Amino acid sequence: GDSVTQTEGLVTLTKGLPVMLNCTYQTTYSPFLFWYVQHLNEAPKLLLKSSTDNKRTEHQGFYATLHKSSSSFHLQKSSVQLSDSALYFCALDSGYNKLTFGKGTVLLVSP
Amino acid sequence: GPKVLQIPSHQIIDMGQMVTLNCDPVSNHLYFYWYKQILGQQMEFLVNFYNGKVMEKSKLFKDQFSVERPDGSYFTLKIQPTALEDSAVYFCASSLGRQSNERLFFGHGTKLSVL
Repeated sequence: GDSVTQTEGLVTLTKGLPVMLNCTYQTTYSPFLFWYVQHLNEAPKLLLKSSTDNKRTEHQGFYATLHKSSSSFHLQKSSVQLSDSALYFCALDSGYNKLTFGKGTVLLVSP
Repeated sequence: GPKVLQIPSHQIIDMGQMVTLNCDPVSNHLYFYWYKQILGQQMEFLVNFYNGKVMEKSKLFKDQFSVERPDGSYFTLKIQPTALEDSAVYFCASSLGRQSNERLFFGHGTKLSVL
């Protein structure tokens, strides 16, 4: 079946530094990938999505590129802020909004 | 922006009892979902629901689980009877359409503790 792997459980950074959160996936279908962000005591919210190979998608300073050749959809930001501290989930649509999630990566940004 | 509300935020019950988790989806949305997240693990799809019917369910959606949305009110997940392994955070979500590019809106989740 489909699967999503996020290798980092926790990433700690000082504000202003760049970040990359890893996401790889396995599927036999045409992939549609998502990044969701969940701030403390809030609902998960959609951050980015893509189904287009090798095309960068951006939102709120975050960006990701779907690479079908390597089955990856890594999340990046060039300069993290304190407000970026949150839980980030990578997810794969296994068909009609039936999402397969990764375990999530906690990003902690310090002053 | 649009919000999905889940009531209650935390529910504690004894094993074997019935529990109903309530979800107030985005008002014009047509598709509804439940996801389950056990502590320390990823969120997993349980079920999706449209036009009064379950469309798809996963192997996690046991016979003790049921969903309904009577008369356009709350979208509910009922577990009867509950088991210890049902302890988890349950997230409700809704979307306007069913295609992959339709945005899912999630609620905050209901933490269910079965003792």
